[in-house]
Amino acid sequence: QVQLQESGPGLVKPSETLSLTCTVSGGSISSYYWSWIRQPAGKGLEWIGRIYTSGSTNYNPSLKSRVTMSVDTSKNQFSLKLSSVTAADTAVYYCARELDYGDYEDYFDYWGQGTLVTVSS
Amino acid sequence: DIQMTQSPSSLSASVGDRVTITCRASQSISSYLNWYQQKPGKAPKLLIYAASSLQSGVPSRFSGSGSGTDFTLTISSLQPEDFATYYCQQSYSTPPYSFGQGTKLEIK
Repeated sequence: QVQLQESGPGLVKPSETLSLTCTVSGGSISSYYWSWIRQPAGKGLEWIGRIYTSGSTNYNPSLKSRVTMSVDTSKNQFSLKLSSVTAADTAVYYCARELDYGDYEDYFDYWGQGTLVTVSS
Repeated sequence: DIQMTQSPSSLSASVGDRVTITCRASQSISSYLNWYQQKPGKAPKLLIYAASSLQSGVPSRFSGSGSGTDFTLTISSLQPEDFATYYCQQSYSTPPYSFGQGTKLEIK
């Protein structure tokens, strides 16, 4: 059973960089897309971006200038950095695995439990 | 970007009711439409993928239909554990993927 676990600071100061890591267990990180998705309290889901195990990335244009994703296949981990954060970046951050089989089958099948990141001084 | 609009935003229903939630895309997304269930404090859980395929382990009372721009999620007979928030998500174009704003299903 694949499991994902987010880790990182729960409190980040305004203008600083939010850094999170997702550790994948119970399966290989290779040959999948891995996404970050966030959810402000009481609000909907926002896709931040994804990374393939080759290092290829796609980012949400609304966040692209501030987002960097990386992957470490030796550790079965991938990471998110979001720079110049403001209070609007306060949210629960989820990591998720994307299955893309083609023929309309492209979805998030495994999710981490989520980690709350608060931006405050 | 493709915008996803769900209706209604909230819904009150009773155990045993048949419930339908609608999701509309701002442009055609073929069948690249997924449905997720989220309970408070938990991560979303995949229910339906490719518009109408039931994810393994999901009860058969859940079903999905539609293609192009209009989609529905139907719960044939509501159970107590079904009260949650439901999201649709399009995977037709990247970037970015997008979700509907959610439909909160509450007990009447």
